[in-house]
Amino acid sequence: QKEVEQNSGPLSVPEGAIASLNCTYSDRGSQSFFWYRQYSGKSPELIMFIYSNGDKEDGRFTAQLNKASQYVSLLIRDSQPSDSATYLCAVFPSGTYKYIFGTGTRLKVLA
Amino acid sequence: DAGVIQSPRHEVTEMGQEVTLRCKPISGHDYLFWYRQTMMRGLELLIYFNNNVPIDDSGMPEDRFSAKMPNASFSTLKIQPSEPRDSAVYFCASSPRGRWTDTQYFGPGTRLTVL
Repeated sequence: QKEVEQNSGPLSVPEGAIASLNCTYSDRGSQSFFWYRQYSGKSPELIMFIYSNGDKEDGRFTAQLNKASQYVSLLIRDSQPSDSATYLCAVFPSGTYKYIFGTGTRLKVLA
Repeated sequence: DAGVIQSPRHEVTEMGQEVTLRCKPISGHDYLFWYRQTMMRGLELLIYFNNNVPIDDSGMPEDRFSAKMPNASFSTLKIQPSEPRDSAVYFCASSPRGRWTDTQYFGPGTRLTVL
């Protein structure tokens, strides 16, 4: 069973702080990793993806991948109340063309 | 370009009735996915198509569910007969090609309530 695990939260951070969201996966052969944001009552939308070990930055967002530890994270710098949402980690396992989604972490940024 | 289009946006029906959900993928996208999202189980893949052909339906919960893609611009997900436990948000998503760097683009979803 190829699984993706996330802490459901809620993760509460004050405005301006760094929010750190974590995701672990079971399939060591997984190739790519996606972070989606989902506002309440809306559909998931892509924030960024990563497929090489290390960090990838896009504006206030940084994705970090450690394949040896089977761990991917998303850092949000200077968190804003508008970042309050559920963040879904999706993994592209080996040998298939379909994402496996985690159950998501709910982030609350407190003004 | 228009995104993924789904209809209806909300559906309320009674147990035992047939429900049909519709999806129009982004033009030029070869892959189409149907997901179901609930609080308890999160986002689950039901089935996906490549060039209108069903590739993996292992997520379809039971025979009451069926999906078709008669052409590149239209897909349906049908539940017959519907049951209260089918209540969920159903998303359709599409992506361009069969590469592992591809983003999936989600439609707005259909919120289904079965009474």
